[in-house]
Amino acid sequence: GESVGLHLPTLSVQEGDNSIINCAYSNSASDYFIWYKQESGKGPQFIIDIRSNMDKRQGQRVTVLLNKTVKHLSLQIAATQPGDSAVYFCAEGSGGYNKLIFGAGTRLAVHP
Amino acid sequence: NAGVTQTPKFQVLKTGQSMTLQCAQDMNHNSMYWYRQDPGMGLRLIYYSASEGTTDKGEVPNGYNVSRLNKREFSLRLESAAPSQTSVYFCASRNRDRGAGGAYEQYFGPGTRLTVT
Repeated sequence: GESVGLHLPTLSVQEGDNSIINCAYSNSASDYFIWYKQESGKGPQFIIDIRSNMDKRQGQRVTVLLNKTVKHLSLQIAATQPGDSAVYFCAEGSGGYNKLIFGAGTRLAVHP
Repeated sequence: NAGVTQTPKFQVLKTGQSMTLQCAQDMNHNSMYWYRQDPGMGLRLIYYSASEGTTDKGEVPNGYNVSRLNKREFSLRLESAAPSQTSVYFCASRNRDRGAGGAYEQYFGPGTRLTVT
């Protein structure tokens, strides 16, 4: 079946730097994408989403970019903080938004 | 507002034993979901319930059954546990309409860590 994948399993950054987490998706019919953050021992927490009719969406310190031509999604975190250390998942949805397909996740490690 | 709650937090079963994982949400959401998460992998959908009274299979339904008891509660049952079902199980819920932020996000519970020996 089609699935969502990630380019980098682990990303290490210095505190204060910007982080970019990448994700490739394969289902061209997906029309909705979400980024989740999961801290150790907790459930995933919604960060930001984007519809397929958009290229960019900004939140607080986060920006999601969608490139439908190459089926690529990225999450940019500005001024990365120690509290941003977590595993980040991208997920794609379609078909009435009842089902999400998750990628394997990228671990973000923020060093002081 | 507790959000999504799950019980138990931890469970150890022997092969062949049965158990039910409980999930409840107090956000009046229509849809509820059960996922499993294995080490180094993303979440995989086991079953979901789009609305009260309906359930549908997800990506990995074999070995599981679900019950949408009412709008608040959605339980997951393992009839005869197997070591392959050792995993962390997450319940989630979502409103049918877009949320206050304009999103269709699913809200997740804290998870149940299950070990089958």
